[in-house]
Amino acid sequence: KNEVEQSPQNLTAQEGEFITINCSYSVGISALHWLQQHPGGGIVSLFMLSSGKKKHGRLIATINIQEKHSSLHITASHPRDSAVYICAVPLSYNTDKLIFGTGTRLQVFP
Amino acid sequence: GAGVSQSPRYKVAKRGQDVALRCDPISGHVSLFWYQQALGQGPEFLTYFQNEAQLDKSGLPSDRFFAERPEGSVSTLKIQRTQQEDSAVYLCASSPYRDSGYFGPGTRLTVT
Repeated sequence: KNEVEQSPQNLTAQEGEFITINCSYSVGISALHWLQQHPGGGIVSLFMLSSGKKKHGRLIATINIQEKHSSLHITASHPRDSAVYICAVPLSYNTDKLIFGTGTRLQVFP
Repeated sequence: GAGVSQSPRYKVAKRGQDVALRCDPISGHVSLFWYQQALGQGPEFLTYFQNEAQLDKSGLPSDRFFAERPEGSVSTLKIQRTQQEDSAVYLCASSPYRDSGYFGPGTRLTVT
């Protein structure tokens, strides 16, 4: 069983739609990362959160530590949001070594 | 530069060649990580440095893989006698101690 699971694996949307990507993990963690990877491989760190909710522009990330679940929401989606979104968590409480989900491939059409 | 940089961005190697991949972390960042990302998969941990000390190399897939960070800043990942299964994107990330990782653009290695 993967320690980090994301759903859905693939997601298509029309411009303007509200997007939700889910991440569940089985290890105890200190914080969870949401990352964005565009074609070509470069990764951008979107959020690191350990509780509650964070917002940056049209992106919102929430986490429920008790349920070991996090969601990434995109409001008013745009074609430039098309990318792979990856959830990652530290392997254990006392390390920064991350383990990654396999990602959610999002395509937003105009 | 403001971010983590990696070079080269793309590398094509013939099977059996040695390659060296470079990572320039953000200045002052203590932690440096190397990850390997196979096509269609999430990144997987290779090795971790805290300053110049390689504290964890448990993810290196074989003794053909070697990483160094001799002065605690720039790091080099070397792969000897490359094999086709080494084809992947190699990602470097740096961070201040116990903080969110800043990722580089990656080096896409293709072994033919």
